[in-house]
Amino acid sequence: GDSVTQMEGPVTLSEEAFLTINCTYTATGYPSLFWYVQYPGEGLQLLLKATKADDKGSNKGFEATYRKETTSFHLEKGSVQVSDSAVYFCALNSGYSTLTFGKGTMLLVSP
Amino acid sequence: GAVVSQHPSWVICKSGTSVKIECRSLDFQATTMFWYRQFPKQSLMLMATSNEGSKATYEQGVEKDKFLINHASLTLSTLTVTSAHPEDSSFYICSARDTLAGVIEQFFGPGTRLTVL
Repeated sequence: GDSVTQMEGPVTLSEEAFLTINCTYTATGYPSLFWYVQYPGEGLQLLLKATKADDKGSNKGFEATYRKETTSFHLEKGSVQVSDSAVYFCALNSGYSTLTFGKGTMLLVSP
Repeated sequence: GAVVSQHPSWVICKSGTSVKIECRSLDFQATTMFWYRQFPKQSLMLMATSNEGSKATYEQGVEKDKFLINHASLTLSTLTVTSAHPEDSSFYICSARDTLAGVIEQFFGPGTRLTVL
């Protein structure tokens, strides 16, 4: 079945540091890939997505590239802010079914 | 666009009572909605898939008689936790898919924090 593996957190960074959160997946066919962000006490917000190989999703300075050869969709940001502190979920969808989520990675950014 | 609301945002109830949580798609139609449960510092666990006008599909291990789901219209699904107990305390999140747009993307509600005393 489908699965998503994320690096365990928390990831602790200083403001303006470079961020990478690794995500790899196992799926049948050609899934769509997503990154969601969850701020404390809130639901999930879609951060970015990519629907086919080599697509790059980007939003709010975050980006991730769909790498079919390595089955990866790593999240990156060049300069994090304190306001980026949240939990980040990598997810995939193989078709018109529900999402398969990774376990989430908490990001803590200090001033 | 693509906003999903949940009501209430939090609820505290006594053990043995029932609690209803509403999930609404505000500006699109959703024949399919999903209900998730999230424990502290954990990922989302899919409980059930709610289909408008038909019975919900429950994931393995989820008690359908305890978690009643009704999807009576294209914009509203409800989750009723019957005879709630402290172990049902959790964060419940719904999501909806914009059916007419034909996309697979899901839009999430803000969640409902249930505390059972």
